[in-house]
Amino acid sequence: DQQVKQNSPSLSVQEGRISILNCDYTNSMFDYFLWYKKYPAEGPTFLISISSIKDKNEDGRFTVFLNKSAKHLSLHIVPSQPGDSAVYFCAASGGDAGNMLTFGGGTRLMVKP
Amino acid sequence: DTEVTQTPKHLVMGMTNKKSLKCEQHMGHRAMYWYKQKAKKPPELMFVYSYEKLSINESVPSRFSPECPNSSLLNLHLHALQPEDSALYLCASSQPPWGTKTNYGYTFGSGTRLTVV
Repeated sequence: DQQVKQNSPSLSVQEGRISILNCDYTNSMFDYFLWYKKYPAEGPTFLISISSIKDKNEDGRFTVFLNKSAKHLSLHIVPSQPGDSAVYFCAASGGDAGNMLTFGGGTRLMVKP
Repeated sequence: DTEVTQTPKHLVMGMTNKKSLKCEQHMGHRAMYWYKQKAKKPPELMFVYSYEKLSINESVPSRFSPECPNSSLLNLHLHALQPEDSALYLCASSQPPWGTKTNYGYTFGSGTRLTVV
């Protein structure tokens, strides 16, 4: 049973426009959510996180929104840049898993110049 | 120092070889992890060490043998691997999975690209 899902395996966006990456989770005990960015043949790098006590966290061009009732979070990148092209993983922790991360399947973002 | 360092970056080994992957961190993290990642897939958890003790082994074949000599080092010993074991092997560290209130997520290394021939 996949507890964290990213239903869009890929997303293509024009440079300068907004990229919206979505993530759904099923475990209501999750209380901390993170987004990681990964380039090919490199390790994931931390991008932004949000605690369940908040519904929005912003860091520069990146904003994460959390809708606890819908068990849904999204990552907004605006404006999108070609260097943002990578695979983005959503991750969640909390409950019995403690601080262990459960990853979604990833979304490949392609930003076209 | 806010990095996790993995060596080597690339490794090609035969099915009869014995090799080791190394991981090092100096952030004071007391949990360290090995993940395996295949192309177009999310990282797949292999082992978790918490306070230098193996706390999770996700039914990994015995040809993979982890070792945590101290709180900064994590090794993965490889023996008699199969071609399907070729993947990117990622090390990560964090605050311990349990017993700590604040979650800062994981810090990942750059990975070792392993090819088994």
